[in-house]
Amino acid sequence: DAKTTQPTSMDCAEGRAANLPCNHSTISGNEYVYWYRQIHSQGPQYIIHGLKNNETNEMASLIITEDRKSSTLILPHATLRDTAVYYCIVARGSTGGFKTIFGAGTRLFVKA
Amino acid sequence: GVTQSPTHLIKTRGQQVTLRCSSQSGHNTVSWYQQALGQGPQFIFQYYREEENGRGNFPPRFSGLQFPNDSSELNVNALELDDSALYLCASSTGTAETQYFGPGTRLLVL
Repeated sequence: DAKTTQPTSMDCAEGRAANLPCNHSTISGNEYVYWYRQIHSQGPQYIIHGLKNNETNEMASLIITEDRKSSTLILPHATLRDTAVYYCIVARGSTGGFKTIFGAGTRLFVKA
Repeated sequence: GVTQSPTHLIKTRGQQVTLRCSSQSGHNTVSWYQQALGQGPQFIFQYYREEENGRGNFPPRFSGLQFPNDSSELNVNALELDDSALYLCASSTGTAETQYFGPGTRLLVL
């Protein structure tokens, strides 16, 4: 399973866009990029996922580079409640199960 | 949503513990994770239609059960101090689908 590299922490001003990068240079063709976030020891919350194309939902946008070796999660208008640890994960389904490998994530601090 | 019980638990070394998870209705897959303080969740195993369908790097004293009524259990025997962690379950509609996490059970082993 491919591993991901994320910055340890980032700051963002409230109301501004938060851009969280992720490197996944060993990603395989059948692996998806998933983003979750975890707010203060609650269970991780699903944000968005994608395979090749950019994706957008009510929470965020996901930009995946053409070579799929990196991606960026964009929170368009960050609020204080977006302060959390953000995990970028690459995962695939297989007969061995959908093994999701979490790294240490990026701790995002949204400041007023 | 996904619920877990109990929310907190204290055990002593050598004891056994059972943690419970109730999946979202219609979800046939449940995965369990261990999250030590300050770290990301670590995959323990996944159950699909009541059968183990993948396992992480955890010893056999970590075992699980999945029942037809959307509930599942994580059992840990011979507890060690390092088993102290937040235990998370996540359910999904299939083995390769988006996972939805419960709030976790915080286990402290003394």
